[in-house]
This record gives sequence, structure tokens and C-alpha cells, in this order.
Amino acid sequence: DQQVKQNSPSLSVQEGRISILNCDYTNSMFDYFLWYKKYPAEGPTFLISISSIKDKNEDGRFTVFLNKSAKHLSLHIVPSQPGDSAVYFCAATFQGAQKLVFGQGTRLTINP
Amino acid sequence: NAGVTQTPKFQVLKTGQSMTLQCAQDMNHEYMSWYRQDPGMGLRLIHYSVGAGITDQGEVPNGYNVSRSTTEDFPLRLLSAAPSQTSVYFCASSYAGTSAQETQYFGPGTRLLVL
Repeated sequence: DQQVKQNSPSLSVQEGRISILNCDYTNSMFDYFLWYKKYPAEGPTFLISISSIKDKNEDGRFTVFLNKSAKHLSLHIVPSQPGDSAVYFCAATFQGAQKLVFGQGTRLTINP
Repeated sequence: NAGVTQTPKFQVLKTGQSMTLQCAQDMNHEYMSWYRQDPGMGLRLIHYSVGAGITDQGEVPNGYNVSRSTTEDFPLRLLSAAPSQTSVYFCASSYAGTSAQETQYFGPGTRLLVL
């Protein structure tokens, strides 16, 4: 049972436009969500996170939105840059848990 | 700081062989974990440790053993390799072992091919 789902395996966006990556979850206990970014032949690196007490968190060009009623979160990148081309993983956990559950990942390609 | 280091970078095994994937971190992190990444499956947790001497199973522990005798090292052992264990393996560490909300730092990965 995939508790965290990223239903779009890939996404292609023109440079300068907005990239929107989506993530859905099924476990109501999840209350903390993270996005990791991964370049080829490297390990994932932390990008941004959000707690369930918020519905939005911003860090520069990156904004994560959380819709708890829909069990859905999204990552917005504005404006998109070629260096943003990577695989993005959504992850979830809950208070006191010692495990992260990852989604399948979305490969983002930014076209010049 | 070297961060999280993994060796080897790439390994080819024959079915039934055993091997140990090495992971070390120099950040004095309590929490360490092993994931495998497979196409369409994302990152799946194999085993994790919240401190020296303490380990626990993740989502896909079968076929793998771990131990944590020091804070720095967290080796992953494949006792009898199977083709289904062909994957990319990532080790990660984070500061606190009490919550997965802490940012995890990943190593560069070990690509394993089992023939």
C-alpha cells in the first residue's frame, strides 16, 4: 500500500515558468511533510518542509502548499531554472515517528 | 566534514554471494538509515538506527542485516544476494533519533547489480 503517491512520473516546464509538483497521501496520521531533490548519481538533498499546522511554507523560489482535507500537497517553483531539473521526492512522517515514507518521485525537466 | 560517505560506489555480485555496504558519517548524528531506490518505487526504508546499539526494521528489511556498534558507522549486509536486490542503495543520517522530522543527509549511493 503506497501511503505517499506522486502520480506524475515526469514533468516538463519551460524556463521562467512555474513548476508544480503534486503529492497525495493516505495516512491521516501524517503531520509533517518534506520535499527532497535528487540529481543523477547523487544522494537526495533536503529542499523544504511543512508542518500540518500550516498550509503554506515559502523558501525563496520554492513554496509548499498543504491541503489537509484533500490529503494533498504541492511544490511550486517560480521561476523555474535549468538547475531545477532533477527528481523530486515527497516524504511524510508523523510526530514521534522514526521513519519517513517517500513517494515514487517526479522527474522535472526545465527546458531553455 | 565529509558528511555521509558510502563505499563502494558500484558493485557486481553473483546470486548467493554476500557483501557489506559501508556507510559512515562524521556529523555525530544519532539517526542513520538505509534506503533502496528502484524505478517507480521511490525510496524505501530498509533498516534504521536511532543510536549506537539500537536498530529496527523499515519497510523492506528481508534479506538485509544491520548493526550499529559506533555512532559513525552503519553497515548494511546482504547475506545471500538475489537479483531482486539489484538497486541503488542510499545511506542517510540526521541529528536526532527521536523524530523523522529532522533533515536527513544522504550519501552518494551504492549501485548494486546482482547477476
